[in-house]
Amino acid sequence: DAKTTQPPSMDCAEGRAANLPCNHSTISGNEYVYWYRQIHSQGPQYIIHGLKNNETNEMASLIITEDRKSSTLILPHATLRDTAVYYCIVSGTSGTYKYIFGTGTRLKVLA
Amino acid sequence: DTAVSQTPKYLVTQMGNDKSIKCEQNLGHDTMYWYKQDSKKFLKIMFSYNNKELIINETVPNRFSPKSPDKAHLNLHINSLELGDSAVYFCASSQGQGQFFGPGTRLTVL
Repeated sequence: DAKTTQPPSMDCAEGRAANLPCNHSTISGNEYVYWYRQIHSQGPQYIIHGLKNNETNEMASLIITEDRKSSTLILPHATLRDTAVYYCIVSGTSGTYKYIFGTGTRLKVLA
Repeated sequence: DTAVSQTPKYLVTQMGNDKSIKCEQNLGHDTMYWYKQDSKKFLKIMFSYNNKELIINETVPNRFSPKSPDKAHLNLHINSLELGDSAVYFCASSQGQGQFFGPGTRLTVL
């Protein structure tokens, strides 16, 4: 079973910020929060990851609560090309850790 | 340059046949993976190799045999194909943080 829970779907207007929540209440101290997205049937694409501090890169921002039990992925200015399924995953960093994908959130960006 | 590549992109075959899917990564990563995404879009890990050694095997039927000739390649051979093997198979690689996925191979068993 996935260690994360996400809403099944969300809509966002083009140009607005998309805020995608994720609950991971059983996260361990050495586990990171990773976000990926899958556009149509392409391979999942890495977006961002973090341990406890908020993170930002050219694609998105990741806000992790102080207790680390939940996080939010923020796409600051959503475009139509951001329409995809977004997956939140918690995992360690070595090769012995495995990703357990949940059902993700299907984000639809509306024109 | 493609970081993680897979061949073929599409594979259509009859039940009972044996087929292989190839994966190559040019990122210099030590760890490679195979995932299966079924018709309901659930993405599940099958195998993980680190420096050519198997480290994760998710109770996949032994008709599936991964082979890693070197750390840049992880091939998947499937014997006696069944209808339920129809899916999209993704290869991925990693070196510490984050996994990079290939474009997928859509396998259809008739």
